[in-house]
Amino acid sequence: QQPVQSPQAVILREGEDAVINCSSSKALYSVHWYRQKHGEAPVFLMILLKGGEQKGHEKISASFNEKKQQSSLYLTASQLSYSGTYFCGTDPVDDKIIFGKGTRLHILP
Amino acid sequence: DTGVSQNPRHKITKRGQNVTFRCDPISEHNRLYWYRQTLGQGPEFLTYFQNEAQLEKSRLLSDRFSAERPKGSFSTLEIQRTEQGDSAMYLCASSQGAGNTIYFGEGSWLTVV
Repeated sequence: QQPVQSPQAVILREGEDAVINCSSSKALYSVHWYRQKHGEAPVFLMILLKGGEQKGHEKISASFNEKKQQSSLYLTASQLSYSGTYFCGTDPVDDKIIFGKGTRLHILP
Repeated sequence: DTGVSQNPRHKITKRGQNVTFRCDPISEHNRLYWYRQTLGQGPEFLTYFQNEAQLEKSRLLSDRFSAERPKGSFSTLEIQRTEQGDSAMYLCASSQGAGNTIYFGEGSWLTVV
């Protein structure tokens, strides 16, 4: 039931792009993306509802393929502040969110 | 609009002692969630409430854990007879209804020695 995230870790140089994937074995009602910095609580990035929509927030966007039960988070022209661990959370039945194990992103200057 | 508030932020306790954490959700939010997070892992679902009703409790959750939300506002999470394996960050989150964004508090760190 826990979604699977890939890759587990990414190291980038500032300005490079990254893609983080999230897949579920169950049909999904929604997908939620969060970023967490060391020692802090997860911070909400975006929510995607079933329907295959894509959302964007400045240089961070995400897509949701309902049929494939997959979502991807796109980080464009990464900045140092993007470093952290990214979690996807999936909600199969409009109920509670179950989180993946996370993808650690490290941006080098 | 204040965010989700948790206290205490840090707790060190001896094995076998009981601990209680409190969570004050965002005021208009009717759903409240408890998660546990250990180093290198994602938040693990523990339980959640809609108003004062506890709708689900994780099957992985020991009977030593109990949560309440007596008036549908704040919530408490109690851990009885703590064990070293209970050491973790306990996160509270809230949302307005189902299928909406959940907002996390800053977490309560528990260290059992």
